[in-house]
Amino acid sequence: KAGVTQTPRYLIKTRGQQVTLSCSPISGHRSVSWYQQTPGQGLQFLFEYFSETQRNKGNFPGRFSGRQFSNSRSEMNVSTLELGDSALYLCASSLARRAGGLDEQFFGPGTRLTVL
Amino acid sequence: GDSVTQMEGPVTLSEEAFLTINCTYTATGYPSLFWYVQYPGEGLQLLLKATKADDKGSNKGFEATYRKETTSFHLEKGSVQVSDSAVYFCALSLGRDDKIIFGKGTRLHILP
Repeated sequence: KAGVTQTPRYLIKTRGQQVTLSCSPISGHRSVSWYQQTPGQGLQFLFEYFSETQRNKGNFPGRFSGRQFSNSRSEMNVSTLELGDSALYLCASSLARRAGGLDEQFFGPGTRLTVL
Repeated sequence: GDSVTQMEGPVTLSEEAFLTINCTYTATGYPSLFWYVQYPGEGLQLLLKATKADDKGSNKGFEATYRKETTSFHLEKGSVQVSDSAVYFCALSLGRDDKIIFGKGTRLHILP
C-alpha cells in the first residue's frame, strides 16, 4: 500500500507570493491533517479535514487555508507569504473510523518551503 | 492549555548505551500518549503509544510507560544503535479529533 505522498518536496518562493501544497493520503484514509514544523516552534497543528470538511483548526492566521476533495486528497494554501512561513509542512492521514476516535496518523515526507 | 514538554537535545550517546528521553505533559482530560521518530529527510513515524494510565508501549527495543501520577511518558532503550540516530517527538492526543500536540523534539546522536 502506498504511503502518504506530498508534492512538491521542495519549494522556493518570495515574500508576497502564494503557494499551494498537495497531499495524497493512504488509500481508504478519510482524514488529512496538516502540520508546520520549524526549528523554533517545533510541530504545530494547522488544520484537519474529514470528508471534505474542516473539522479542526490550529492557531494560524487566515492566510493559511486548506481544502479536501472527494477522493480525500488535500491541498493547503498560504497567501501573501512571509519570511516566517519558511518551514517543513507535513501532512498526515488516518482512517478516522469513528468520530472522536483516535486512529494512527501516517505522515508524509513533507514539503520544504523556503520564502526569500 | 494542553502541552508536552520534553528534554532538549541534542543527546549524544555511544553505541550500546542506555537511553532515556524525558517527557511530561499537561492535559485537561485523559490523553493518549505517543512517541514519534523522524529520521533525516523523512516524515514522522509512530514509534509507540499508550492509551491509558500504566500502559506500556514498546517497539524496536524502545519502551515508555504512561504514568498518570507524574504526568510522564519517558522513552527508554537499553542498548542504542547508530541507526537510532534521529529526532524523537513526544506527543499527546485527547481523542476528540485527530489533532496531535507535539513536544519540541529531541535530537539523538549515537556514536559508533
